[in-house]
Amino acid sequence: QSVLTQPPSVSAAPGQKVTISCSGSSSNIGIDYVSWYQQLPGTAPKLLIYENDKRPSGIPDRFSGSKSGTSATLGITGLQTGDEADYYCAAWDNSLTCEVFGGGTKLTVL
Amino acid sequence: QVQLQESGPGLVKPSETLSLTCVVSGYSIRSGHYWAWIRQPPGKGLEYIGIISHTGRPYYSPSLKSRVTMALDTSKNQFSLDVRSAAAPDTAVYYCARMIADYDYFDYWGQGSLVTISS
Repeated sequence: QSVLTQPPSVSAAPGQKVTISCSGSSSNIGIDYVSWYQQLPGTAPKLLIYENDKRPSGIPDRFSGSKSGTSATLGITGLQTGDEADYYCAAWDNSLTCEVFGGGTKLTVL
Repeated sequence: QVQLQESGPGLVKPSETLSLTCVVSGYSIRSGHYWAWIRQPPGKGLEYIGIISHTGRPYYSPSLKSRVTMALDTSKNQFSLDVRSAAAPDTAVYYCARMIADYDYFDYWGQGSLVTISS
């Protein structure tokens, strides 16, 4: 089981909005930045959100991130079939002294 | 543009050492940040293995610390990973990545290298 908890799967129709939660603790999300990664089938993970809510150049503003206390949320609006992927949250854990990942959430665009 | 490329044997026998190298282009590894190894067993999620600073100081995952060594080779602008006493659960796609210091996110990733542990 992963240190950060994500729902195994979420789904929504094209054009709709979806949110993916990431729950942690006071030793990771509570005190550190959260990042999010998108992994399309058969490819390497790609940075989607960093420092809780910042988007790298080239990432559309349909993707957003937020953090509150020991939880974080990834939001995706205007869903497209090309958004079907696995999404992972991550943060540094001060107690374990290592980066920790969520178990991943599979997004299906129906 | 920063690029990373993993290389190494795709098949390793049980009890032997799994060794991988990550060549970095577009950025000097001695300039800053951390250099990371992350793995993904088939059909499973991402697992952090460890990072090494641009000065060569490593930080390993507690669960792998006893079997892992990471090193920098600044002359070749590359870094490496050794996992000793490999076993079937070490079968995974191994990714190298750059981790941004102080903000703890991975901004550039290699394409990944599948390593299978089997006799």
